[in-house]
Amino acid sequence: GAGVSQTPSNKVTEKGKYVELRCDPISGHTALYWYRQSLGQGPEFLIYFQGTGAADDSGLPNDRFFAVRPEGSVSTLKIQRTERGDSAVYLCASSLSGLNTGELFFGEGSRLTVL
Amino acid sequence: DAKTTQPNSMESNEEEPVHLPCNHSTISGTDYIHWYRQLPSQGPEYVIHGLTSNVNNRMASLAIAEDRKSSTLILHRATLRDAAVYYCILRGYSGAGSYQLTFGKGTKLSVIP
Repeated sequence: GAGVSQTPSNKVTEKGKYVELRCDPISGHTALYWYRQSLGQGPEFLIYFQGTGAADDSGLPNDRFFAVRPEGSVSTLKIQRTERGDSAVYLCASSLSGLNTGELFFGEGSRLTVL
Repeated sequence: DAKTTQPNSMESNEEEPVHLPCNHSTISGTDYIHWYRQLPSQGPEYVIHGLTSNVNNRMASLAIAEDRKSSTLILHRATLRDAAVYYCILRGYSGAGSYQLTFGKGTKLSVIP
Protein backbone atom coordinates (compact mmCIF):
# COMPACT_ATOMS: atom_id res chain seq x y z
CA GLY A 1 0.00 0.00 0.00
CA ALA A 2 0.97 3.64 -0.29
CA GLY A 3 0.87 4.51 3.40
CA VAL A 4 1.72 3.10 6.81
CA SER A 5 -0.53 0.17 7.62
CA GLN A 6 -1.39 -0.92 11.16
CA THR A 7 -3.22 -4.04 12.26
CA PRO A 8 -5.46 -4.70 13.99
CA SER A 9 -7.36 -1.43 13.90
CA ASN A 10 -9.15 -2.41 17.09
CA LYS A 11 -8.18 -4.90 19.78
CA VAL A 12 -10.13 -5.70 22.92
CA THR A 13 -8.42 -7.90 25.47
CA GLU A 14 -8.65 -8.86 29.11
CA LYS A 15 -6.32 -7.72 31.84
CA GLY A 16 -3.27 -9.96 32.05
CA LYS A 17 -3.33 -11.11 28.43
CA TYR A 18 -0.57 -10.75 25.84
CA VAL A 19 -1.06 -8.48 22.81
CA GLU A 20 0.81 -7.92 19.55
CA LEU A 21 0.30 -4.89 17.33
CA ARG A 22 1.74 -4.83 13.81
CA CYS A 23 3.09 -1.95 11.72
CA ASP A 24 3.88 -2.13 8.01
CA PRO A 25 5.84 1.02 7.10
CA ILE A 26 6.19 2.72 3.74
CA SER A 27 8.55 0.73 1.53
CA GLY A 28 12.11 2.02 1.70
CA HIS A 29 11.67 3.93 4.97
CA THR A 30 14.51 3.04 7.31
CA ALA A 31 13.18 4.91 10.35
CA LEU A 32 10.19 3.56 12.28
CA TYR A 33 8.56 5.02 15.40
CA TRP A 34 5.93 3.80 17.84
CA TYR A 35 3.80 6.24 19.81
CA ARG A 36 0.76 5.83 22.02
CA GLN A 37 -2.02 8.31 22.52
CA SER A 38 -4.47 8.48 25.40
CA LEU A 39 -7.77 10.32 25.09
CA GLY A 40 -7.32 14.09 24.98
CA GLN A 41 -3.52 13.92 24.96
CA GLY A 42 -0.89 14.29 22.28
CA PRO A 43 0.98 11.20 21.08
CA GLU A 44 3.67 9.95 23.48
CA PHE A 45 6.93 8.56 22.08
CA LEU A 46 7.70 4.90 22.83
CA ILE A 47 10.53 3.62 20.62
CA TYR A 48 12.49 4.41 17.45
CA PHE A 49 14.10 1.93 15.04
CA GLN A 50 16.78 2.75 12.50
CA GLY A 51 16.82 -0.33 10.28
CA THR A 52 16.61 -3.45 12.42
CA GLY A 53 17.94 -1.96 15.64
CA ALA A 54 16.13 -0.04 18.35
CA ALA A 55 18.15 3.19 18.37
CA ASP A 56 16.06 4.84 21.11
CA ASP A 57 13.75 2.91 23.46
CA SER A 58 13.69 5.58 26.15
CA GLY A 59 9.91 5.99 25.92
CA LEU A 60 8.93 2.41 26.74
CA PRO A 61 7.09 2.70 30.09
CA ASN A 62 8.28 -0.61 31.60
CA ASP A 63 9.57 -4.05 30.72
CA ARG A 64 6.11 -5.33 29.77
CA PHE A 65 6.52 -3.41 26.50
CA PHE A 66 8.84 -4.70 23.79
CA ALA A 67 9.15 -4.07 20.05
CA VAL A 68 11.00 -5.79 17.23
CA ARG A 69 11.80 -5.10 13.60
CA PRO A 70 13.77 -8.20 12.55
CA GLU A 71 14.15 -7.49 8.83
CA GLY A 72 14.14 -3.71 8.91
CA SER A 73 10.62 -3.42 7.56
CA VAL A 74 7.57 -4.68 9.49
CA SER A 75 7.59 -4.01 13.22
CA THR A 76 5.63 -5.61 16.04
CA LEU A 77 4.89 -3.98 19.38
CA LYS A 78 4.40 -6.58 22.09
CA ILE A 79 2.67 -5.95 25.41
CA GLN A 80 2.79 -8.60 28.13
CA ARG A 81 0.43 -8.91 31.09
CA THR A 82 -1.75 -6.06 29.86
CA GLU A 83 -3.22 -3.61 32.37
CA ARG A 84 -6.24 -1.34 32.08
CA GLY A 85 -3.88 1.64 31.94
CA ASP A 86 -2.45 0.31 28.67
CA SER A 87 -5.71 1.19 26.90
CA ALA A 88 -4.84 3.75 24.23
CA VAL A 89 -4.35 4.22 20.50
CA TYR A 90 -0.96 2.91 19.43
CA LEU A 91 0.43 4.83 16.47
CA CYS A 92 3.22 3.80 14.15
CA ALA A 93 5.12 6.19 11.88
CA SER A 94 7.88 5.78 9.33
CA SER A 95 10.34 8.15 7.71
CA LEU A 96 13.00 8.00 4.99
CA SER A 97 15.63 8.83 7.58
CA GLY A 98 15.73 9.55 11.29
CA LEU A 99 17.10 13.06 10.89
CA ASN A 100 15.37 16.12 12.31
CA THR A 101 14.39 17.44 8.90
CA GLY A 102 12.47 14.34 7.90
CA GLU A 103 8.71 14.04 7.58
CA LEU A 104 7.04 11.29 9.59
CA PHE A 105 4.15 9.42 7.98
CA PHE A 106 1.71 8.04 10.53
CA GLY A 107 -0.68 5.14 10.29
CA GLU A 108 -4.24 5.36 11.56
CA GLY A 109 -3.38 3.52 14.73
CA SER A 110 -4.43 0.41 16.63
CA ARG A 111 -6.98 1.09 19.36
CA LEU A 112 -6.28 -1.18 22.34
CA THR A 113 -8.91 -1.65 25.03
CA VAL A 114 -7.99 -3.65 28.12
CA LEU A 115 -11.03 -4.76 30.13
CA ASP B 1 13.06 18.32 22.85
CA ALA B 2 12.50 21.86 24.10
CA LYS B 3 8.98 22.81 25.18
CA THR B 4 6.41 24.74 23.17
CA THR B 5 3.37 26.70 24.32
CA GLN B 6 0.19 26.85 22.26
CA PRO B 7 -3.36 28.04 22.99
CA ASN B 8 -5.67 25.16 23.87
CA SER B 9 -8.24 26.10 21.24
CA MET B 10 -9.04 28.58 18.48
CA GLU B 11 -11.95 29.27 16.19
CA SER B 12 -12.03 30.50 12.63
CA ASN B 13 -14.68 31.25 10.07
CA GLU B 14 -14.61 29.24 6.90
CA GLU B 15 -12.63 30.79 4.01
CA GLU B 16 -10.83 33.21 6.33
CA PRO B 17 -7.10 33.07 7.17
CA VAL B 18 -6.02 31.45 10.43
CA HIS B 19 -2.90 32.29 12.40
CA LEU B 20 -1.91 29.62 14.92
CA PRO B 21 0.75 30.88 17.36
CA CYS B 22 3.48 28.91 19.10
CA ASN B 23 6.00 30.08 21.69
CA HIS B 24 9.29 28.29 22.12
CA SER B 25 11.53 30.57 24.14
CA THR B 26 14.06 27.83 25.01
CA ILE B 27 14.69 26.72 21.43
CA SER B 28 18.29 25.77 20.67
CA GLY B 29 20.19 26.70 17.54
CA THR B 30 19.81 23.27 15.95
CA ASP B 31 16.12 22.68 16.71
CA TYR B 32 13.82 22.58 13.70
CA ILE B 33 10.24 23.82 14.14
CA HIS B 34 7.75 21.22 12.91
CA TRP B 35 3.96 21.41 12.63
CA TYR B 36 1.70 18.40 12.46
CA ARG B 37 -2.07 18.20 12.57
CA GLN B 38 -4.40 15.44 13.61
CA LEU B 39 -7.90 15.09 12.25
CA PRO B 40 -10.44 13.17 14.35
CA SER B 41 -9.78 9.42 14.46
CA GLN B 42 -6.67 9.69 12.30
CA GLY B 43 -2.93 9.64 12.86
CA PRO B 44 -1.01 12.92 12.83
CA GLU B 45 -0.20 14.43 9.44
CA TYR B 46 2.87 16.51 8.58
CA VAL B 47 2.12 20.12 7.71
CA ILE B 48 5.39 22.06 7.44
CA HIS B 49 8.77 22.63 9.06
CA GLY B 50 11.47 25.27 9.11
CA LEU B 51 14.69 26.39 10.80
CA THR B 52 15.11 30.16 10.42
CA SER B 53 13.47 31.42 7.25
CA ASN B 54 9.76 31.58 6.55
CA VAL B 55 8.50 28.57 4.62
CA ASN B 56 5.59 28.01 2.27
CA ASN B 57 4.07 24.84 0.90
CA ARG B 58 0.77 23.79 -0.60
CA MET B 59 -0.84 23.34 2.81
CA ALA B 60 0.33 26.33 4.81
CA SER B 61 2.95 28.97 5.55
CA LEU B 62 5.29 29.07 8.53
CA ALA B 63 6.43 32.44 9.82
CA ILE B 64 9.41 32.27 12.20
CA ALA B 65 10.36 35.20 14.41
CA GLU B 66 13.82 36.63 13.91
CA ASP B 67 14.93 35.48 17.39
CA ARG B 68 13.26 32.09 16.76
CA LYS B 69 11.47 32.23 20.10
CA SER B 70 8.08 32.05 18.44
CA SER B 71 6.46 30.98 15.19
CA THR B 72 3.07 31.15 13.51
CA LEU B 73 1.38 28.62 11.27
CA ILE B 74 -0.77 30.34 8.68
CA LEU B 75 -3.64 28.66 6.88
CA HIS B 76 -4.54 31.07 4.10
CA ARG B 77 -8.19 30.04 3.69
CA ALA B 78 -9.64 27.78 6.33
CA THR B 79 -11.94 25.01 5.16
CA LEU B 80 -14.07 22.65 7.22
CA ARG B 81 -11.48 19.97 6.49
CA ASP B 82 -8.88 22.02 8.38
CA ALA B 83 -10.66 21.42 11.70
CA ALA B 84 -8.06 19.46 13.65
CA VAL B 85 -5.59 19.57 16.52
CA TYR B 86 -2.43 21.39 15.43
CA TYR B 87 0.85 20.50 17.12
CA CYS B 88 3.90 22.75 17.16
CA ILE B 89 7.02 20.66 17.88
CA LEU B 90 10.69 21.44 18.26
CA ARG B 91 12.70 18.63 16.79
CA GLY B 92 16.27 18.32 17.98
CA TYR B 93 18.56 15.57 19.14
CA SER B 94 16.94 13.78 22.06
CA GLY B 95 20.21 12.72 23.63
CA ALA B 96 19.08 9.10 23.55
CA GLY B 97 19.88 8.32 19.91
CA SER B 98 17.12 9.95 17.93
CA TYR B 99 15.42 13.07 16.67
CA GLN B 100 12.01 11.87 17.76
CA LEU B 101 9.03 14.22 17.85
CA THR B 102 7.75 15.18 21.29
CA PHE B 103 4.10 16.19 21.06
CA GLY B 104 2.36 18.55 23.48
CA LYS B 105 -1.42 18.98 23.70
CA GLY B 106 -1.65 21.21 20.62
CA THR B 107 -4.30 23.72 19.57
CA LYS B 108 -7.74 22.46 18.68
CA LEU B 109 -8.93 24.48 15.68
CA SER B 110 -12.65 24.72 15.03
CA VAL B 111 -13.87 26.05 11.68
CA ILE B 112 -17.29 27.66 11.57
CA PRO B 113 -19.25 27.36 8.32
